[in-house]
Amino acid sequence: QQPVQSPQAVILREGEDAVINCSSSKALYSVHWYRQKHGEAPVFLMILLKGGEQKGHEKISASFNEKKQQSSLYLTASQLSYSGTYFCGTEGTGNTPLVFGKGTRLSVIA
Amino acid sequence: GAGVSQSPSNKVTEKGKDVELRCDPISGHTALYWYRQRLGQGLEFLIYFQGNSAPDKSGLPSDRFSAERTGESVSTLTIQRTQQEDSAVYLCASSFRTGGDQPQHFGDGTRLSIL
Repeated sequence: QQPVQSPQAVILREGEDAVINCSSSKALYSVHWYRQKHGEAPVFLMILLKGGEQKGHEKISASFNEKKQQSSLYLTASQLSYSGTYFCGTEGTGNTPLVFGKGTRLSVIA
Repeated sequence: GAGVSQSPSNKVTEKGKDVELRCDPISGHTALYWYRQRLGQGLEFLIYFQGNSAPDKSGLPSDRFSAERTGESVSTLTIQRTQQEDSAVYLCASSFRTGGDQPQHFGDGTRLSIL
């Protein structure tokens, strides 16, 4: 079942923060986050595993709420380079293929 | 090579023709995935291969679509009797193995246009 991402699109000014959410109706084993710039391949950002810790580095981090079957991606002090479409991919238990959401288009303007 | 390589990068063909798309995964990656991405849309899973196990074909949209992989190397995705609705970017990804803890590394894709 395809996870639901929100918002569908967001426009930020440089330096502003954003949160992108990913929700599933099924129990999850893992959540992946990828960023895709226009005309380019998706690039891996991070994976969150059931029972694991919040991941990330200084400016981009993510959390995984297993009980709510949700993950959130946090972008702080956004930069122009953060622009792109962010996809979450979810995996249920049983080593099933990733199912990707429809994406969140993020535009950072000067 | 250093990354996942796909060819051709662009393919334009007439409706009804067959096409073959190629993917060279990262060396040592046993898992290989094919996705379809229509304009402005998300990633639609098609098929994945893991080592010598039977592939998971659950995402193939019709029997016009098929894929093969030789061992743990190159894969080809074949679309027979192409239709205009097949127009999309076809992305290939590989990972060290299947499993939710393994990041997927994507190629640049093949942009397929059916006239």
